[in-house]
Amino acid sequence: DAGVTQSPTHLIKTRGQQVTLRCSPKSGHDTVSWYQQALGQGPQFIFQYYEEEERQRGNFPDRFSGHQFPNYSSELNVNALLLGDSALYLCASSSEGYNTEAFFGQGTRLTVV
Amino acid sequence: DAKTTQPPSMDCAEGRAANLPCNHSTISGNEYVYWYRQIHSQGPQYIIHGLKNNETNEMASLIITEDRKSSTLILPHATLRDTAVYYCIVRVPWDNYGQNFVFGPGTRLSVLP
Repeated sequence: DAGVTQSPTHLIKTRGQQVTLRCSPKSGHDTVSWYQQALGQGPQFIFQYYEEEERQRGNFPDRFSGHQFPNYSSELNVNALLLGDSALYLCASSSEGYNTEAFFGQGTRLTVV
Repeated sequence: DAKTTQPPSMDCAEGRAANLPCNHSTISGNEYVYWYRQIHSQGPQYIIHGLKNNETNEMASLIITEDRKSSTLILPHATLRDTAVYYCIVRVPWDNYGQNFVFGPGTRLSVLP
């Protein structure tokens, strides 16, 4: 079992550009959540996808959008990048249900210059 | 905002038990307590979770007080590889099925040789 995999591991973008990050959930998991972690802080919830729809969203602007595919994999898109978007982006997968474990990927380190 | 408070840092001698406290005085009856740890900007690693009974697995034990207002994570024999930031999280449900993690700053545990 490969667990949660994210790609790419590192990325450097210029202000104003757009970026797409990818996540493959752990086998058997159908729910994908995305988190942003700034340096020295805990992860912050961006949004969650289930059945190819955004089910819940944290306090992030519309520049952050996502998608979930029929195979449960997911993408996070960020438009009009700002320097403040530099962070570790984490994907977490879980199975539907109230009392389930969530497994995190190793993250994508995005640097905006 | 996170519903938990933790000490910012702790030290523990190698081979001794590490006891990490967490306060969650506003926890509701259906909210679970989860513990994750994060080693040097890797993705958070699941440790254990519980509702009101004490829990134990191969990694750790979770002791929840009877009033559920606080808990303690116990690593029975800490090693240098247990040096990490430990997050105590109350998983907040939106409805019967959805929930997300609200991370605080965590406790930085340093295991000393």
